[in-house]
Amino acid sequence: NAGVTQTPKFRVLKTGQSMTLLCAQDMNHEYMYWYRQDPGMGLRLIHYSVGEGTTAKGEVPDGYNVSRLKKQNFLLGLESAAPSQTSVYFCASTPRGGNTEAFFGQGTRLTVV
Amino acid sequence: AQSVTQLGSHVSVSEGALVLLRCNYSSSVPPYLFWYVQYPNQGLQLLLKYTSAATLVKGINGFEAEFKKSETSFHLTKPSAHMSDAAEYFCAVSENTGRRALTFGSGTRLQVQP
Repeated sequence: NAGVTQTPKFRVLKTGQSMTLLCAQDMNHEYMYWYRQDPGMGLRLIHYSVGEGTTAKGEVPDGYNVSRLKKQNFLLGLESAAPSQTSVYFCASTPRGGNTEAFFGQGTRLTVV
Repeated sequence: AQSVTQLGSHVSVSEGALVLLRCNYSSSVPPYLFWYVQYPNQGLQLLLKYTSAATLVKGINGFEAEFKKSETSFHLTKPSAHMSDAAEYFCAVSENTGRRALTFGSGTRLQVQP
């Protein structure tokens, strides 16, 4: 059981380049999230999805777009990368009902130069 | 709106000493509360969670936390630190309805001295 898998694990981008981060979960979870982690700031919510075909903005959505065409996948896109987007990105998922915790991927370390 | 405050960005203890990591939260509804641990270059792993059952919650690796509504606190403790406990610890509060996203504290890095 792989849980939540993120690809790639590391990436270096030049300012202005675009890229897509992929998150895949095999637990049939309805809810999926993208967070970014920066030193001294914990994790902050970028975008989230409560089901296939639906997405919504979190606290820090500027410069990012997302899509959830399939229930198991949640994509995070950077159309024109900026140095301020240098961060570690985490995907998480959780089921709809009950009091289950969120399950996290291993993270993607992105550097924008 | 929910928020989490973790007092102390760095905590250092000696091996065998008590570990106490502080977490205070703010929530307008009964919260779900979590402690996650992050080892270097890894993702977040759940240590324990409070979801309105017992106020004293036991987790993995000998950690426990007590939910105190009157103090809006959820401090993490371990009676005897081990070298392998060195990591970053995050307290988080969850909305138990709606988007159910986590709001995290800024984290506490625990160092364990031999």
